[in-house]
Amino acid sequence: NAGVMQNPRHLVRRRGQEARLRCSPMKGHSHVYWYRQLPEEGLKFMVYLQKENIIDESGMPKERFSAEFPKEGPSILRIQQVVRGDSAAYFCASSPESSRTEAFFGQGTRLTVV
Amino acid sequence: GESVGLHLPTLSVQEGDNSIINCAYSNSASDYFIWYKQESGKGPQFIIDIRSNMDKRQGQRVTVLLNKTVKHLSLQIAATQPGDSAVYFCAENRGYGNKLVFGAGTILRVKS
Repeated sequence: NAGVMQNPRHLVRRRGQEARLRCSPMKGHSHVYWYRQLPEEGLKFMVYLQKENIIDESGMPKERFSAEFPKEGPSILRIQQVVRGDSAAYFCASSPESSRTEAFFGQGTRLTVV
Repeated sequence: GESVGLHLPTLSVQEGDNSIINCAYSNSASDYFIWYKQESGKGPQFIIDIRSNMDKRQGQRVTVLLNKTVKHLSLQIAATQPGDSAVYFCAENRGYGNKLVFGAGTILRVKS
């Protein structure tokens, strides 16, 4: 049973370009969470999605950031017109249901904006 | 509010000793807590969890203690091994689903 798969593992973008980060949850999991981690800090919640629905996006910046989890395919975190401050590790987690259970994390995508 | 740490605290222990990592949480309404281990370049790895109706839970070589009165959580690792070296985060589950609020983290260094 494959774990949470994120790709790419490393992504380099120039300022102003778009970044697309992909997350495939564990098999049977329908709940996806995106977190951002700056160096030497804890993970910060960004958004919580179920299939075709955004449940909680209270941690998403108001501009340039968007997320989706379509009926088919992976969840996508999209950052438009990237700036240097977007450089971070972005982690995706998935869980089988919404109740208090363990969330499994992927290995993350390390975004570097140059 | 959210925890932000510019310089993570570090705990150095000798191999074979016991380790205790502490965490304070802020929201008395949180009802589910998790400890994660994060090695360099990797995602957080689940260690152990505890619900608010418990004050202690044991796993293999690890024990989590929860003190709701002072909103404090601790992780005890018995017979610490070099492979335990990592950053350890506590996380509290708030609100709907599995939305987690992470603490700042503690670096554990195990000396052989």
